[in-house]
Amino acid sequence: AQKVTQAQTEISVVEKEDVTLDCVYETRDTTYYLFWYKQPPSGELVFLIRRNSFDEQNEISGRYSWNFQKSTSSFNFTITASQVVDSAVYFCALRRNYGQNFVFGPGTRLSVLP
Amino acid sequence: KAGVTQTPRYLIKTRGQQVTLSCSPISGHRSVSWYQQTPGQGLQFLFEYFSETQRNKGNFPGRFSGRQFSNSRSEMNVSTLELGDSALYLCASSLAELAVNEQFFGPGTRLTVL
Repeated sequence: AQKVTQAQTEISVVEKEDVTLDCVYETRDTTYYLFWYKQPPSGELVFLIRRNSFDEQNEISGRYSWNFQKSTSSFNFTITASQVVDSAVYFCALRRNYGQNFVFGPGTRLSVLP
Repeated sequence: KAGVTQTPRYLIKTRGQQVTLSCSPISGHRSVSWYQQTPGQGLQFLFEYFSETQRNKGNFPGRFSGRQFSNSRSEMNVSTLELGDSALYLCASSLAELAVNEQFFGPGTRLTVL
């Protein structure tokens, strides 16, 4: 069975601090996809990144970076120099191979305080 | 370029009724997927449509159904509404099938069942 765990329910940081959101997944598949989404207070989900299971290269996009480690089944997300606009709920998700179902983690609510 | 639109934005129904929600994807996008978000169950995948064909369905009862038209617009229908169907229903579109491209989400339809 597939499962995504985001152990951190809520995190509060002060602006300019770095913060890492954890994501641990379970799957027996060898081919799968991992995703991160952001849901700001407005409610509209925003796609952040997709990573396939064969690509363990870490990725950096501006202040965002992702660390994918198959050995520990983790796909962690780091925001560097956090800003108030980063306040949102962040979801990690797992999808099996092409055409299969999606499983979301419970989300982590990040509050960045000024 | 217009984003994903969902209508209506808010809906109030009573138990036993049925409801139809609509989603218009970004022009040129052929894939539409639907999600349900509730405080208790979190984000759950409902369906995925690509070129008018349902490619995948989540673990929801048969009361939940959907379809996609030739212009890629999609509708989802929930029959015999239950209190537990109260949720935010999100639609997302992408150029190709779900695991391949970035998804763009609509603002959602908030359904309240009384």
